[in-house]
Amino acid sequence: TQLLEQSPQFLSIQEGENLTVYCNSSSVFSSLQWYRQEPGEGPVLLVTVVTGGEVKKLKRLTFQFGDARKDSSLHITAAQPGDTGLYLCAGSNSGSNYQLIWGAGTKLIIKP
Amino acid sequence: GAGVSQSPSNKVTEKGKDVELRCDPISGHTALYWYRQSLGQGLEFLIYFQGNSAPDKSGLPSDRFSAERTGGSVSTLTIQRTQQEDSAVYLCASSFAGVEQYFGPGTRLTVT
Repeated sequence: TQLLEQSPQFLSIQEGENLTVYCNSSSVFSSLQWYRQEPGEGPVLLVTVVTGGEVKKLKRLTFQFGDARKDSSLHITAAQPGDTGLYLCAGSNSGSNYQLIWGAGTKLIIKP
Repeated sequence: GAGVSQSPSNKVTEKGKDVELRCDPISGHTALYWYRQSLGQGLEFLIYFQGNSAPDKSGLPSDRFSAERTGGSVSTLTIQRTQQEDSAVYLCASSFAGVEQYFGPGTRLTVT
């Protein structure tokens, strides 16, 4: 059974600080996605990474896919209160091109 | 264009009653997913529809849960004889020719 483990489960930091969230697995994924979910809303796709070692930047957010395509990280620079939310990673297996494997999420709170 | 919509946004029901949850996917999206999310947790896959193919029902937790998709568009998730453990947010997502999923705002179900 494929699993995605996210860490930390919960993170509360001050505005302006940097942080990194991790998504790890012992399995290889063909692609990996990061979503952010705000209270009362559904998850919103932030990025999809498909190539081992790939780095994508979205303003202050930097996403990296591990060389072996088993792990990923999300780094936020100078966090802002608007970054508060539940961050979910989800992996796609080439053997099942529709069913994603979901991590349990990292709940992030940025205090002003 | 319009995103994924779900109704109702909130549903409170008594234990033992049946409930129906509705999802309107993005127009033209051929794939539709239902997920369940407990408070602040990751997503639990329930069922997947793709075009006219037989749905993947492997995630449905019991035979009290069923779903249908009419005309390849609107979907209804039905929970019969609701139990307190069914209380959760039920999320619907749609996608087109890929793994990137677009979510609705969810239906918060509370069984009293």
